[in-house]
Amino acid sequence: EAGVTQFPSHSVIEKGQTVTLRCDPISGHDNLYWYRRVMGKEIKFLLHFVKESKQDESGMPNNRFLAERTGGTYSTLKVQPAELEDSGVYFCASSQVQNQPQHFGDGTRLSIL
Amino acid sequence: DAKTTQPPSMDCAEGRAANLPCNHSTISGNEYVYWYRQIHSQGPQYIIHGLKNNETNEMASLIITEDRKSSTLILPHATLRDTAVYYCIVTLSAGNTPLVFGKGTRLSVIA
Repeated sequence: EAGVTQFPSHSVIEKGQTVTLRCDPISGHDNLYWYRRVMGKEIKFLLHFVKESKQDESGMPNNRFLAERTGGTYSTLKVQPAELEDSGVYFCASSQVQNQPQHFGDGTRLSIL
Repeated sequence: DAKTTQPPSMDCAEGRAANLPCNHSTISGNEYVYWYRQIHSQGPQYIIHGLKNNETNEMASLIITEDRKSSTLILPHATLRDTAVYYCIVTLSAGNTPLVFGKGTRLSVIA
């Protein structure tokens, strides 16, 4: 079984540019999560999809971040325009049902210059 | 979700058992204890979880005290590849609830 995959693994862009991160969850997993770790901080929740619906987006930092999950399969997280403080590692996780664990991808390391 | 407290760092000799403690004194009756670890440059990796009973799988054992206010993750024969940050997380339902990560315990396995 393929795990959670994220693309790209690294992205370096300039402030003001746009970047789109992609997450492919484990096949059949309805729950999809985005988290991020900024330098020196703990991993923080961003948002949660159940299939194609946003269940909880309370962790999204501001309206420069837009997440989508069309068709309930893969998800994208767009940052537009990127700011210096958006640098960090963005993780995606997926899970199947209620009391089963979330499985994480290896993250996208985003650097804003 | 209940708050957890873990020591910031621990060392363990290779081949010995690593015992990682976690305090969760405010845990409620229907909250689970989950353990994840993050090896450098990888995403968090699920290890084990439990509610009341002790649990064991191919990676580790989880010992939960009878009052459920603390638990211990045991890696029976630590190897260098077990060097990582270990997170103890208490949650109602890890599958459909966001995980709250603390600072975890940085375990260093020493040859």
